[in-house]
Amino acid sequence: QSVLTQPPSASGAPGQRVTISCSGTRSNIGSNTVNWYQQFPGAAPKLLIFANNQRPSGVPDRFSGSKSGTSASLAITGLQSDDEADYYCAAWDDSLNGPWVFGGGTKLTVL
Amino acid sequence: QVQLQESGPGLVKPSETLSLTCAVSGDSISGTTYNWGWIRQPPGEGLEWIGSMNYNGSPYYNPSLKRRATVSVDTSKNQLSLDLRSVTAADTAVYYCVRHHLGIAHFWGQGTLVTVSS
Repeated sequence: QSVLTQPPSASGAPGQRVTISCSGTRSNIGSNTVNWYQQFPGAAPKLLIFANNQRPSGVPDRFSGSKSGTSASLAITGLQSDDEADYYCAAWDDSLNGPWVFGGGTKLTVL
Repeated sequence: QVQLQESGPGLVKPSETLSLTCAVSGDSISGTTYNWGWIRQPPGEGLEWIGSMNYNGSPYYNPSLKRRATVSVDTSKNQLSLDLRSVTAADTAVYYCVRHHLGIAHFWGQGTLVTVSS
C-alpha cells in the first residue's frame, strides 16, 4: 500500500494529451514539493519533474507537472510511442510515514 | 558525471543478512550537499525508499524497515552500503542506490537484483 495514490494505468493515442494524478495528504504533497520519475522496463527510474513543475535538463517541454493542495498531476502532451513507461510520483513526508514516499506507479500505454 | 554502481550477492537465504555496496564516482560521498540512499523495487511492483545517509553522516530510514536496515558510508572508498537483516522472500527486489536532495534523485545506479530463496 503506497502512501501516495496513483491510477494503475493510463492510456492515450499518439499526439493526444494525457494526465496522471497523484493524491496525497497534508503531511506530504500538502506540505512539500512533488517529483515525478519515468521508468522504462529493465531500466532505473529517471527524474522527470522536480519541485512540482521543474524539468531537468534534457526533458522535453511536452512533460509538465502541477500541484494543488494535496494532489499533483503529470501532463504529457503530443503523446509519443516512446513515452510508454511507468510513471511514479514522490514527495517528502513530514509524518511518521516518511520522510520519502512514493506513489504506486502508473503504467502509461500509447495506443 | 556522477555514476553509481551497486554490487553484492544476487542470492540470499531467508533469515540471513542482505549486504550491498554502491561505488560512487564523479562526486564525493562525504560532500555537504547531497544525501545518498537506497531504494528498492520488488519484481513487477513500485518503488520503496529504504534509507539514506544525510550530509552530516546521520542515517535515516523508512519506518517500516528501520529495525532491519543499516545504511553506512565508507568515505575512504567513496562507497555507500546497505545491510538488511532477517530477510524473507518479500525482500526480493531490485535495489538501487541514489544521490538525492530532499527526495529529488537526479542520479541512480543501474540496480542489482537480489533474490531471497533457500
